[in-house]
Amino acid sequence: SQTIHQWPATLVQPVGSPLSLECTVEGTSNPNLYWYRQAAGRGLQLLFYSVGIGQISSEVPQNLSASRPQDRQFILSSKKLLLSDSGFYLCAWSVSSTYEQYFGPGTRLTVT
Amino acid sequence: GENVEQHPSTLSVQEGDSAVIKCTYSDSASNYFPWYKQELGKGPQLIIDIRSNVGEKKDQRIAVTLNKTAKHFSLHITETQPEDSAVYFCAASSNDMRFGAGTRLTVKP
Repeated sequence: SQTIHQWPATLVQPVGSPLSLECTVEGTSNPNLYWYRQAAGRGLQLLFYSVGIGQISSEVPQNLSASRPQDRQFILSSKKLLLSDSGFYLCAWSVSSTYEQYFGPGTRLTVT
Repeated sequence: GENVEQHPSTLSVQEGDSAVIKCTYSDSASNYFPWYKQELGKGPQLIIDIRSNVGEKKDQRIAVTLNKTAKHFSLHITETQPEDSAVYFCAASSNDMRFGAGTRLTVKP
């Protein structure tokens, strides 16, 4: 069966520090991968998606970036965090863009 | 692109009552409509989905209906229980998936 992992589960970082969040999927090949951000009590904002290694599409311009160095690994990064980057970050995978997405457990990021 | 609107944003019901959450979408090419349940501090979990060639689908106490002509779909939960309390998201997908803003459901014992 397929599983999706995210780490760390929680993170507290000062403004201006770098960020690296990692997501890995097991049990499937060539998945579509997604990064979402969820502000407190709000909906899901799609940040990036990837249909293959090295292929990244950005939905919203911001100081975040994403990379996909391996087929089942998706990384969210920032060189300098802003207070507004605080939120709940979710990684998800799907077989294709028109099929269900499966979400990871999320990373709670607090920028202080 | 697709735009999904979800109502209500909050919903409070007594245990045992029914709950209905409604969504509308804009892209007539959308053909897949999942519903997710998100408990506090966790990732959303798929609870039921429907494709455009089906008008209704049931899974125990949960059902989803789809009206393609009107471009709206709904989640129905019967005999609600306190453990149904969560945030529910609808989504619509054609070339990509778009989510509604979510409904916070509270089931009061």
